[in-house]
Amino acid sequence: GENVEQHPSTLSVQEGDSAVIKCTYSDSASNYFPWYKQELGKRPQLIIDIRSNVGEKKDQRIAVTLNKTAKHFSLHITETQPEDSAVYFCAARGEKGFKTIFGAGTRLFVKA
Amino acid sequence: EAGVTQFPSHSVIEKGQTVTLRCDPISGHDNLYWYRRVMGKEIKFLLHFVKESKQDESGMPNNRFLAERTGGTYSTLKVQPAELEDSGVYFCASSPLGQLYNEQFFGPGTRLTVL
Repeated sequence: GENVEQHPSTLSVQEGDSAVIKCTYSDSASNYFPWYKQELGKRPQLIIDIRSNVGEKKDQRIAVTLNKTAKHFSLHITETQPEDSAVYFCAARGEKGFKTIFGAGTRLFVKA
Repeated sequence: EAGVTQFPSHSVIEKGQTVTLRCDPISGHDNLYWYRRVMGKEIKFLLHFVKESKQDESGMPNNRFLAERTGGTYSTLKVQPAELEDSGVYFCASSPLGQLYNEQFFGPGTRLTVL
C-alpha cells in the first residue's frame, strides 16, 4: 500500500546548526508534498509544501527538495533556533483525491 | 477567523464503552478529514467528507468506527465498542473546496485513552 518513510525519528542539533529530515514515498502518482510542524501541545501546522513540477523551494530558513525519480524529498532548516524544536511530519498526496499519507514524524531538539 | 475545533480534548474510557468525538471545521470549508496518530507512529488518514458525503473512507479501521457529517457542517466520529488499540490522538482537518493543493488546517486533536 501507500506509505511514507521518514528519517530520522529523533534529531538533536546545536543552535545555529542545520537540520535535515528525509522522506521516501512509495506511490509514484504522488504529486504534492506538504511538511507540517507540531509544537508541544499544539496542532500540526503547514510550514512549507512542494509540488512535483518543482525540484526545490525555499522560505527564509527552510527549504524542501524533491527527487521524483528516486521518490525522495527532504526538509532543510538552516541556522536552527530553539523555537524550531518540534515534531516535523512529511506527507505525500496523489492526484486521485485528498488523501494525505504522512510519515511517522521527526522529533527535532535544538539545544541553546 | 476561528480555527478547527475538536471536543473533547481528552477522553479516558474503558474497553467496551462508546465514545463520540466532535469536529467543527473552519466555517465555509466543505472538505473535512479525520486522522489518527497512534503513539510514535504516522498520522494515519481515516476518511474524507465533502460536505455531507463520504468521499473516501478507505482508512477506517473497521466497522466499530462510524463517522457522520449531517448537514455538512460539524462531524462526529463514534467508536463503539472501544478497544485498547483504538487509543491515540484523533485529528480533524478541513480545507476549502477547489484546488487539490489547498492546505489542510488541523484541529488540536482529541487524545483518546482506552483502558
